[in-house]
Amino acid sequence: GAGVSQTPSNKVTEKGKYVELRCDPISGHTALYWYRQSLGQGPEFLIYFQGTGAADDSGLPNDRFFAVRPEGSVSTLKIQRTERGDSAVYLCASSLTQGTAFAGELFFGEGSRLTVL
Amino acid sequence: GQNIDQPTEMTATEGAIVQINCTYQTSGFNGLFWYQQHAGEAPTFLSYNVLDGLEEKGRFSSFLSRSKGYSYLLLKELQMKDSASYLCALWDNYGQNFVFGPGTRLSVLP
Repeated sequence: GAGVSQTPSNKVTEKGKYVELRCDPISGHTALYWYRQSLGQGPEFLIYFQGTGAADDSGLPNDRFFAVRPEGSVSTLKIQRTERGDSAVYLCASSLTQGTAFAGELFFGEGSRLTVL
Repeated sequence: GQNIDQPTEMTATEGAIVQINCTYQTSGFNGLFWYQQHAGEAPTFLSYNVLDGLEEKGRFSSFLSRSKGYSYLLLKELQMKDSASYLCALWDNYGQNFVFGPGTRLSVLP
């Protein structure tokens, strides 16, 4: 597609439920990033994929959070047993970055706003 | 790890010039980015510095000093539409990821 696409744009769920957030990056972009942003804060890094593999998952807050990118394109962020503190906007971004050789700019999706009641 | 610091809020007048500072500490610098984020929208790329000095792009310029761990974004001829948050971000080859600062919320007044 023309840009990074994220679905759903809004998700309201109850505490304890399971949630999946999807990201479709720009075609050809090998690097994909997930961030979480709370109101008035900068984006908080969660995980970074280079192709199909997670190159850095050090930002995932705990084992309730997991992300996959099985074919090196679309990625899904999965949150188990959601808690009220998980409420935030989850941003996905992609870039043409090839390892550390050059850092191309990030192109962001519009985000998925998650509200846990 | 990385540590990035920016002022929380700034206010300026339409037509004026404003400088937004960013200081950072990192173990493996590979580039510094500035992004603009309007309320309720995704961040959009403004500029990128990898070497020391000034990069100019129309009304926006960005400066980097790697030895001082310091960057600034300069906005000239401010317009009302420049009211937004401005995010400083590090490309750090230690973690191989982009790390964002807390952002500076700029309000442009008439």
